[in-house]
Amino acid sequence: EVQLVETGGGLVRPGSSLKLSCATSGFTFSNTWMNWVRQAPGKGLEWVALIKDKYSNYEANYAESVKGRFTISRDDSKSRVYLQMNTLRDQDTATYYCTRNLRGWGQGVMVTVSS
Amino acid sequence: DIQMTQSPSFLSASVGDRVTINCKASQNINRYLNWYQQKLGEAPKLLIYNANSLQTGIPSRFSGSGSGTDFTLTISSLQPEDVATYFCLQHNSWPFTFGSGTKLEIK
Repeated sequence: EVQLVETGGGLVRPGSSLKLSCATSGFTFSNTWMNWVRQAPGKGLEWVALIKDKYSNYEANYAESVKGRFTISRDDSKSRVYLQMNTLRDQDTATYYCTRNLRGWGQGVMVTVSS
Repeated sequence: DIQMTQSPSFLSASVGDRVTINCKASQNINRYLNWYQQKLGEAPKLLIYNANSLQTGIPSRFSGSGSGTDFTLTISSLQPEDVATYFCLQHNSWPFTFGSGTKLEIK
């Protein structure tokens, strides 16, 4: 069974950092492209970042709204993908989902940025 | 960036009705379009990938069509459990972009 479990969310102050983790199982992680997608409360979905597999040299792509502040990474030995979020803003408040190839999704983790 | 215009924003229909939801891309995205269903308080679930391929385990009353810039999600016979918000996503080019969603309710 495919599973994706996000952790690391919480309440933080504007300007601070947070690192999300997504633990996966049930599929061959090492050759899977992984994404982070977020959803602000009561709003629609926003794609955040993608990391390709080793065969594509772990190339990463980002939404303009997070470029330079967020970094996606992966550890194939642990079947985990991460999202390092720096210089957080109020508008980064959202539920963050990791997704496998934009097909299987985790249950999401809430990040609240507020003073 | 590619803009995805989804319509309608809200839809009310009766059980057994045929329902269609549309997404229009601001430029050609070939068939790189997915449809998702999101029920209240849950994560999105993939229904259709690459415009017309039914995801494993999804009922056959769901279908997708289209290519280029115009796409449609069809529910052939609406069921009570289909109450949800539906989103399209283009994954032809970065940044990937979602439609704004269609909230579907039962009349």
